[in-house]
Amino acid sequence: DTGVSQDPRHKITKRGQNVTFRCDPISEHNRLYWYRQTLGQGPEFLTYFQNEAQLEKSRLLSDRFSAERPKGSFSTLEIQRTEQGDSAMYLCASSSTDYGYTFGSGTRLTVV
Amino acid sequence: AQSVTQLGSHVSVSEGALVLLRCNYSSSVPPYLFWYVQYPNQGLQLLLKYTTGATLVKGINGFEAEFKKSETSFHLTKPSAHMSDAAEYFCAVSVGNNFNKFYFGSGTKLNVKP
Repeated sequence: DTGVSQDPRHKITKRGQNVTFRCDPISEHNRLYWYRQTLGQGPEFLTYFQNEAQLEKSRLLSDRFSAERPKGSFSTLEIQRTEQGDSAMYLCASSSTDYGYTFGSGTRLTVV
Repeated sequence: AQSVTQLGSHVSVSEGALVLLRCNYSSSVPPYLFWYVQYPNQGLQLLLKYTTGATLVKGINGFEAEFKKSETSFHLTKPSAHMSDAAEYFCAVSVGNNFNKFYFGSGTKLNVKP
């Protein structure tokens, strides 16, 4: 197992378009997290899943954002009608009670 | 409410000098504390963590941090800086069981001069 994988690494999109990111966690980790990191800031919590259940969502996650984790494996984060303010690095992390918290390399979104 | 303050957005040291990155936290419950390092265009890598027990924790690459409850601090140190330490460092606090949610500081960029 090579860690947490995120795809794509970079995404450039026009304002108003929809985008979807994928995260593949470490296989034995049952918890999955999404964070957003804007330039010059630390990551901010967006949402987390335990298995397929979405247990918490941040108020940062507007109605244009949706996350899923079907079957408790990979997760997708979709942003509808993107805005320039959505430009950021989107980080995925996974954990289990025994192994702690591992981050992926992130997806950098640029909205033009 | 939980929050993290990192003093100094940029720190510059000479190679071989002491590294000291400051972190203060606010938490209404006993916190778990973490330091992460981030290289350009990469994700975050865990350096070390404090959960319970010994207040001086050692991490990877020669870094260590001390949890001081009375000062609500968790400063990161390394006795001798190496060029490869140049990166951005984030302090984070977590509450709840099993590291549910992290609150990160705004980061400190470490520059190491030859």
